[in-house]
Amino acid sequence: GQNIDQPTEMTATEGAIVQINCTYQTSGFNGLFWYQQHAGEAPTFLSYNVLDGLEEKGRFSSFLSRSKGYSYLLLKELQMKDSASYLCAVNTNAGKSTFGDGTTLTVKP
Amino acid sequence: EAGVVQSPRYKIIEKKQPVAFWCNPISGHNTLYWYRQNLGQGPELLIRYENEEAVDDSQLPKDRFSAERLKGVDSTLKIQPAELGDSAVYLCASVPGGQETQYFGPGTRLLVL
Repeated sequence: GQNIDQPTEMTATEGAIVQINCTYQTSGFNGLFWYQQHAGEAPTFLSYNVLDGLEEKGRFSSFLSRSKGYSYLLLKELQMKDSASYLCAVNTNAGKSTFGDGTTLTVKP
Repeated sequence: EAGVVQSPRYKIIEKKQPVAFWCNPISGHNTLYWYRQNLGQGPELLIRYENEEAVDDSQLPKDRFSAERLKGVDSTLKIQPAELGDSAVYLCASVPGGQETQYFGPGTRLLVL
């Protein structure tokens, strides 16, 4: 099976930087996704990491270390609209996707 | 390009009643997923289709849940009979061929009374 752990809740201030961590245990790792989900809405794609290292996309960056089973999502210049749940999801080479329970981020003025 | 379409958006039924959810994936997307998401949790896979073939239904409670994807396009997920614990959001997602990113529909919010 697969285990995915991420903090339940985080709070940060508008304009600041926040890092959301995700650790996982899986066999047949084939990539890690981060999705954003606003309350009452569907998840939307943020990033996809297959190889080790940092992927930067505007204000959002995602890091992966396959040897450590670890990833983080870095959000810079936080805006109020970034308040949402952030889901870490691991894909296996068998095509299975397993999601963590998400980290609810609250951005305060 | 139209996104993944799901209907109904909301459904309230009494326990022991049947219910069905419909999903129309993005045109050309061969892979289709059905997930169940409980409040405060991540989506849990119910079934995955590659075209019309169910390639992973290991987590589908087959005593009461069924799904089909005729012609490899639209899909229907059915629960019969529904139980109180089935109250959740049912999400459909599709993936284009050769890629991994999932595109989610808005979901159907089910309340079983």
